[in-house]
Amino acid sequence: GAVVSQHPSWVICKSGTSVKIECRSLDFQATTMFWYRQFPKQSLMLMATSNEGSKATYEQGVEKDKFLINHASLTLSTLTVTSAHPEDSSFYICSASIGTYGYTFGSGTRLTVV
Amino acid sequence: KQEVTQIPAALSVPEGENLVLNCSFTDSAIYNLQWFRQDPGKGLTSLLLIQSSQREQTSGRLNASLDKSSGRSTLYIAASQPGDSATYLCAVSRTGTASKLTFGTGTRLQVTL
Repeated sequence: GAVVSQHPSWVICKSGTSVKIECRSLDFQATTMFWYRQFPKQSLMLMATSNEGSKATYEQGVEKDKFLINHASLTLSTLTVTSAHPEDSSFYICSASIGTYGYTFGSGTRLTVV
Repeated sequence: KQEVTQIPAALSVPEGENLVLNCSFTDSAIYNLQWFRQDPGKGLTSLLLIQSSQREQTSGRLNASLDKSSGRSTLYIAASQPGDSATYLCAVSRTGTASKLTFGTGTRLQVTL
């Protein structure tokens, strides 16, 4: 149980275009969703925390106008990378809080901007 | 600001060896610590969670310990197998429910035949 489905698993886009990444909780309601970014051979860096029905809280240094997060329902959260540039190429992972202590993670999205 | 460091950054061992991965954190005011496994290009799989009041947790061949006062945790893997090859990440949270995680730098483990 407690599965988060993340799509797409990989995407290649042209510089200047926007890309949307979706995370769906399949068998539970995700009140809180976390979005992480991971560069090659590096750890996960938290980008933002989103709560259903409210604005996301962004970490310091993360451009909220560039990385748009929407958490309109308890089963869907989306991250849109707007006007993507090659430096936005990275591995993006979502995570949902489950219960008091646990977390479940999506399978990640490899974004390549050319 | 919480900083989490893992040593070693990479490790290669022959099959069957027991091994220890280390995780240290700078702020001992944590709520819990978790160990995750990440396969290349994949998401994370939770391995063990230790609450701040606990000292260790075990699951199969894995044993994780926590020493809050010294800011350290270890993940012990017994009788390593090639299938254990992956990156292992530790992460700490400061508060309880729906708290954000601060991840360590990771240890890339390769178990050879």
